[in-house]
Amino acid sequence: KQEVTQIPAALSVPEGENLVLNCSFTDSAIYNLQWFRQDPGKGLTSLLLIQSSQREQTSGRLNASLDKSSGRSTLYIAASQPGDSATYLCAVETGANSKLTFGKGITLSVRP
Amino acid sequence: GAGVSQSPRYKVAKRGQDVALRCDPISGHVSLFWYQQALGQGPEFLTYFQNEAQLDKSGLPSDRFFAERPEGSVSTLKIQRTQQEDSAVYLCASSTRTGFGYTFGSGTRLTVV
Repeated sequence: KQEVTQIPAALSVPEGENLVLNCSFTDSAIYNLQWFRQDPGKGLTSLLLIQSSQREQTSGRLNASLDKSSGRSTLYIAASQPGDSATYLCAVETGANSKLTFGKGITLSVRP
Repeated sequence: GAGVSQSPRYKVAKRGQDVALRCDPISGHVSLFWYQQALGQGPEFLTYFQNEAQLDKSGLPSDRFFAERPEGSVSTLKIQRTQQEDSAVYLCASSTRTGFGYTFGSGTRLTVV
């Protein structure tokens, strides 16, 4: 059974800091890995999608990497801003029915 | 439509009531998923449709939960005789096909009192 872990559960940093959010998964037979952002009381916004054949994806200040063999992904946020404060979830797509398995998320707080 | 639309956004139900949650996926998206997200947790898989066929319902927590997608577009998640433990955010997601990622709706927050 696929399990996804995100540690720590919460993180607080000062504005302007570069930071890395980690995600690990137990079964490397994945189609892709997706990073989402969730604001309080809201749905999920897709940030980056990395196919299993890819090593990384970039969008603006965000860069996500994937090491499928070791079951790890990182989300790098450059020059963090208070508006980046949210919960960040990673999810892997696996199996015949392409089910997504999520981690519990990392709640990020960027202090002005 | 431009995105995945879910209604209602909020639902308060008295224990024992039946509720129906609606999901309108992106037009042309073949795959549709329902997830349940408890407070402070990541979303958990409930059920999956490919067009009108429900291919996986292994995540439905009890036989009080029922989902349908009769014409392969709009889907309804029905919960009968709601219990307090059903309180959660119910998220719907759709995709064109396997491996291309998912677009999520804003969710329905269900509170059972």
